[in-house]
Amino acid sequence: SAVISQKPSRDICQRGTSLTIQCQVDSQVTMMFWYRQQPGQSLTLIATANQGSEATYESGFVIDKFPISRPNLTFSTLTVSNMSPEDSSIYLCSVVRTEAFFGQGTRLTVV
Amino acid sequence: AQSVTQLDSQVPVFEEAPVELRCNYSSSVSVYLFWYVQYPNQGLQLLLKYLSGSTLVKGINGFEAEFNKSQTSFHLRKPSVHIRDTAEYFCAVSDRSRNSGGYQKVTFGTGTKLQVIP
Repeated sequence: SAVISQKPSRDICQRGTSLTIQCQVDSQVTMMFWYRQQPGQSLTLIATANQGSEATYESGFVIDKFPISRPNLTFSTLTVSNMSPEDSSIYLCSVVRTEAFFGQGTRLTVV
Repeated sequence: AQSVTQLDSQVPVFEEAPVELRCNYSSSVSVYLFWYVQYPNQGLQLLLKYLSGSTLVKGINGFEAEFNKSQTSFHLRKPSVHIRDTAEYFCAVSDRSRNSGGYQKVTFGTGTKLQVIP
């Protein structure tokens, strides 16, 4: 199993600003995954973060908008940059050990 | 690459009636299959998983699912639902060969909202 601590749990941000979300895993993992869940929708993978290399982004997501850091094998951050109301979502980090384990999510509202 | 199709976006069912939530997947390789549940305003919780062996998998809260390789399906069933089962259910798949090292992402379906009617 894996225990993931994610923070903040929620935030309300002004448009044009940036928010950095942090995830801490209780053990070392090779890859961490960042998902977005827009209101009433399923999970969409944003990017895969591998320690020591640049993150791999899925189609429709770019590094300038969602920069990711992975400084060690237990920690990662996702920044949502230059936010607009369309970025209002729940953001989740995840690790996979056969099944996917998730942080509690960050509920972001952009006003 | 894998994909998951959940044909039913919403399923209303009366309390104590049986329910089946459908899931079909597409993959060129062997897969692991999962069902997750998300209760209102809560995080994702694993209901059950198919890794290998028996094709009938039992999970928490009385749910079970059957893996059908020929039909590439992994439908979720419960013989008698309760009000507390009202939630959104997500079917998910990952590549078995790459999953063991934590390298493989999990791909989620679009979800099925189960509405249990008293």
